[in-house]
Amino acid sequence: AQSVTQPDIHITVSEGASLELRCNYSYGATPYLFWYVQSPGQGLQLLLKYFSGDTLVQGIKGFEAEFKRSQSSFNLRKPSVHWSDAAEYFCAVGAGGNKLVFGAGTILRVKS
Amino acid sequence: GAGVSQSPSNKVTEKGKDVELRCDPISGHTALYWYRQRLGQGLEFLIYFQGNSAPDKSGLPSDRFSAERTGESVSTLTIQRTQQEDSAVYLCASSLSRAGDTQYFGPGTRLTVL
Repeated sequence: AQSVTQPDIHITVSEGASLELRCNYSYGATPYLFWYVQSPGQGLQLLLKYFSGDTLVQGIKGFEAEFKRSQSSFNLRKPSVHWSDAAEYFCAVGAGGNKLVFGAGTILRVKS
Repeated sequence: GAGVSQSPSNKVTEKGKDVELRCDPISGHTALYWYRQRLGQGLEFLIYFQGNSAPDKSGLPSDRFSAERTGESVSTLTIQRTQQEDSAVYLCASSLSRAGDTQYFGPGTRLTVL
């Protein structure tokens, strides 16, 4: 069965520092991979997605993610974090058909 | 255009009561999904509708849960005889029909079962 692991429950970074959120997946075929962000009191917003082709994917708000098949990973990165990036981040894999399997999420705290 | 809307935004009910949660998808989206998010956890797939095909109910946790969709529009998730473990945020999403199409999420309904 498909699964997604986000090993870090909480991460705290200083404003202006770089960020990497880890995501590992288990899926037999070539996956569709997604990162969503959920800000307090708001719905989930898609940051970026990977289908095929270039393994480095650019998203909104300055985020990017790199698909590494050999490591079954799809880590999310941002070179310089802003206080407004504080939120919960979810990695998801398209699991046969259209339904998504989500990781448990990583809560990002940004300290000034 | 308008996004996915859900109602009510909050619902408090007593154990044993039935509840109905509503989702209005984005116009033109043939696929509709329900997910559940328990406190501190990721999203858990419940059910998926695609056009006139039979829905994928593989994620429904028990026969107390059911959902309907009228054509390619509104969907209702019904929970009968609610239990305290049903307390969660219920999220609806819609998308176009192809695998991997972006799912757009509504704001969710926060259900509290006392």
